[in-house]
Amino acid sequence: QKEVEQNSGPLSVPEGAIASLNCTYSDRGSQSFFWYRQYSGKSPELIMFIYSNGDKEDGRFTAQLNKASQYVSLLIRDSQPSDSATYLCAVIKAAGNKLTFGGGTRVLVKP
Amino acid sequence: EAGVTQSPTHLIKTRGQQATLRCSPISGHTSVYWYQQALGLGLQFLLWYDEGEERNRGNFPPRFSGRQFPNYSSELNVNALELEDSALYLCASSPRGARGEKLFFGSGTQLSVL
Repeated sequence: QKEVEQNSGPLSVPEGAIASLNCTYSDRGSQSFFWYRQYSGKSPELIMFIYSNGDKEDGRFTAQLNKASQYVSLLIRDSQPSDSATYLCAVIKAAGNKLTFGGGTRVLVKP
Repeated sequence: EAGVTQSPTHLIKTRGQQATLRCSPISGHTSVYWYQQALGLGLQFLLWYDEGEERNRGNFPPRFSGRQFPNYSSELNVNALELEDSALYLCASSPRGARGEKLFFGSGTQLSVL
């Protein structure tokens, strides 16, 4: 079992719709959760982080965390073609300070 | 303020050679992380340095090694290069003890092994 799992996609979304991305993690002691956006050929860019159960909103992005289900999600509202990218879920475990990444979900927003 | 800088941008080597990749963290950051991203794959954790010490190591063979200098810059060395080492190598830095929201990535070094 991978430590952090994501559906590789591609997730095809019409412009203006909501994109919903999911991520599960295996270590119940994981403490911190992150979503990165990575454009092709570029380095990852942090877009959201969440530490507590529930929802966290930032602009068009909402991160949702459910530690009991070991599940974190990202919603992108009013999707734009510029949102087309690979979205990486990352987790920091209780021990150590490194980020463990999922394989990423490729999102395609079609005009 | 300068971000994380990596050099070289591209590196072409042949199988069996050695590669050295360099990373300069953001000023004030003491932790440096190295990740490997093979084509179409996610980021695989390689090494974490903090205050000049190796703090954690990913599941990579010993021919992947590195070090951190007193100015907190870092080198990643890959010996006896293999074709499957071709990947984007990303360096990230953060302040010591910080959570991930203060972790920033450099633009990476694209290593091609022929």
